[in-house]
Amino acid sequence: TQLLEQSPQFLSIQEGENLTVYCNSSSVFSSLQWYRQEPGEGPVLLVTVVTGGEVKKLKRLTFQFGDARKDSSLHITAAQPGDTGLYLCAVKRAYSGAGSYQLTFGKGTKLSVIP
Amino acid sequence: NAGVTQTPKFQVLKTGQSMTLQCAQDMNHNSMYWYRQDPGMGLRLIYYSASEGTTDKGEVPNGYNVSRLNKREFSLRLESAAPSQTSVYFCASSYRNTEAFFGQGTRLTVV
Repeated sequence: TQLLEQSPQFLSIQEGENLTVYCNSSSVFSSLQWYRQEPGEGPVLLVTVVTGGEVKKLKRLTFQFGDARKDSSLHITAAQPGDTGLYLCAVKRAYSGAGSYQLTFGKGTKLSVIP
Repeated sequence: NAGVTQTPKFQVLKTGQSMTLQCAQDMNHNSMYWYRQDPGMGLRLIYYSASEGTTDKGEVPNGYNVSRLNKREFSLRLESAAPSQTSVYFCASSYRNTEAFFGQGTRLTVV
């Protein structure tokens, strides 16, 4: 089973519209990250949320961490063509050995903003 | 700032050939990762290195080997390439599993 479920998988909207994408899990996390990946590039970190209920804003992007720290959302206001890309959520996951962690990603939401 | 550098950027292999993907970071990070990205599958961890001299298997390690040559370099080797290994490969590094910095990727096609 996938640790992080992202929805929707694809989203195509007109410039100026608002949208929300989601990252859900049945597990509790100490923190959650959101990345954006543009075509032909590697993912780039947008934000890290740490506290349950936390809301962070990055210009037109609003990130929320669920109260129970199991889920997160990303809301974009007045989407622009430059917002086009793959949005990925990621969490630290304990792996073999004390203090050993890996970053696990969801499958992402592919956003297309049409001019 | 170079960040994470991957070579090569593109590669075409014949089935059964071997190759090594190189990755180097200049941020003095302890942790380094190799991911593969396939359509609809997101980023899947192949191997992970928490520090120089240590490596761990990730979600999809079969068919791959890695070497953490030193703190800067983490290479991924395909001993006998298969068409199922056609993918985009990303190397990443982080300091204590905080923000991950990614390279630009290697687009590998196995025919």
